[in-house]
Amino acid sequence: AQSVAQPEDQVNVAEGNPLTVKCTYSVSGNPYLFWYVQYPNRGLQFLLKYITGDNLVKGSYGFEAEFNKSQTSFHLKKPSALVSDSALYFCAVSLNTGFQKLVFGTGTRLLVSP
Amino acid sequence: GAVVSQHPSRVICKSGTSVKIECRSLDFQATTMFWYRQFPKQSLMLMATSNEGSKATYEQGVEKDKFLINHASLTLSTLTVTSAHPEDSSFYICSAIYRGGASYNEQFFGPGTRLTVL
Repeated sequence: AQSVAQPEDQVNVAEGNPLTVKCTYSVSGNPYLFWYVQYPNRGLQFLLKYITGDNLVKGSYGFEAEFNKSQTSFHLKKPSALVSDSALYFCAVSLNTGFQKLVFGTGTRLLVSP
Repeated sequence: GAVVSQHPSRVICKSGTSVKIECRSLDFQATTMFWYRQFPKQSLMLMATSNEGSKATYEQGVEKDKFLINHASLTLSTLTVTSAHPEDSSFYICSAIYRGGASYNEQFFGPGTRLTVL
């Protein structure tokens, strides 16, 4: 069965500093990987996805993520954090089977301090 | 484009009553819609997968008679929580997949519905 782990409940970073939100996955086939962001009492907003091709994926709001097959990781990164980036971030995985069911990680709260 | 709406955004009901939540894809046709449940400070748990014109597929542990799902058209799916109880209080989120296009279609999420059962 596929699963996603986000080892950090919360990440704290100062504005202007680089940020990393970690995600590792476990699937039996080739994964489709996603990052979503959730603001309080809101649904999820899509940030980026990895399907195939370049391991470095660029997404919305300056975020990027690197797919590392050997380490089964898909960490979310941003070179310079903004206070407005403070939110809950979810990593998700789906199998490369055409069936779009997603399995989500437990989420990481990002807190960017001024 | 790719906007998904949910109605209502918040609902408070008495125990024992039924509540219907609507999920609409506003500017695209959705072959498949998903219903999730999110508890405070927890991840999204998939409840069921809804395909237009067919019965929903429920995840293990989700009571199909309690959480009725209807996907009557390519733009509308409804979740009805029947005989609601306080433990059904939660944040319910739907998502929809765009019909056609790329080989893999990302999910577009609605803004969620906060259900409180008194």
